[in-house]
Amino acid sequence: GENVEQHPSTLSVQEGDSAVIKCTYSDSASNYFPWYKQELGKRPQLIIDIRSNVGEKKDQRIAVTLNKTAKHFSLHITETQPEDSAVYFCAASKGGADGLTFGKGTHLIIQP
Amino acid sequence: DSGVTQTPKHLITATGQRVTLRCSPRSGDLSVYWYQQSLDQGLQFLIQYYNGEERAKGNILERFSAQQFPDLHSELNLSSLELGDSALYFCASSARGGYTFGSGTRLTVV
Repeated sequence: GENVEQHPSTLSVQEGDSAVIKCTYSDSASNYFPWYKQELGKRPQLIIDIRSNVGEKKDQRIAVTLNKTAKHFSLHITETQPEDSAVYFCAASKGGADGLTFGKGTHLIIQP
Repeated sequence: DSGVTQTPKHLITATGQRVTLRCSPRSGDLSVYWYQQSLDQGLQFLIQYYNGEERAKGNILERFSAQQFPDLHSELNLSSLELGDSALYFCASSARGGYTFGSGTRLTVV
C-alpha cells in the first residue's frame, strides 16, 4: 500500500519568514495530494490540494509543489503569521473511493 | 459547519465499558472513514465504508467494530474499553478524493 513520509516533525520559524514542509509518497499511482491544517483539539481542515496533472498550485500565502518523477510534494507558506501555528498533515490518494494515506504531521511554530 | 456531523462531542466512561460513536456524512458522500488520534499522535486510520460496505481496514483493534447503514450514517463501536483507548475519534466523508472531517468525539476512559 501507499506510504507517506513527512518532514520535519517540528518546524519553528520567525514570524514573517517562510516555512516549507516536505512529503514523499511511494505509490506512483497516487494522483491526489491534499494538505490539512489542524489546530489543537479541532478537526483537520483542508487548506490546499493538488492533482498529478499540475506541478504547482498557489492560494495567497500558501503554495504546493509536486514532483511526480521524484514522488515528492511540498507545502510552502510565505510571510508566516501567528495564526499559522498548527499541525500540518500531507496525504496522498489514488482517487475514487480509495482513501487518503496521511503523513505523521508537522508541528509548525511561529515565533513572534 | 463542515457538513459531517459527529455525536457525541464528549464521552467519559469507565474501563471495560462499551460505547458507540455516530457519524453522519455530508449529503451525497458515499464514503465514511474513521480515524483515531491520541495525544500528540497523527491520524491513525481505522476503517472505511463505501455505500454500506466495508472497503478498507487499517489499525483497528478486534474490540472495535463499525458499520454503515442504508441512510449512509456510520457507527463505530468500541468495547472492553481500556485507558489507552482515550483519544479523539474523527470521521470523515469524501466525494472526489478530498476528505471533510467532522468535529470529532473526545473519548475519555477512566
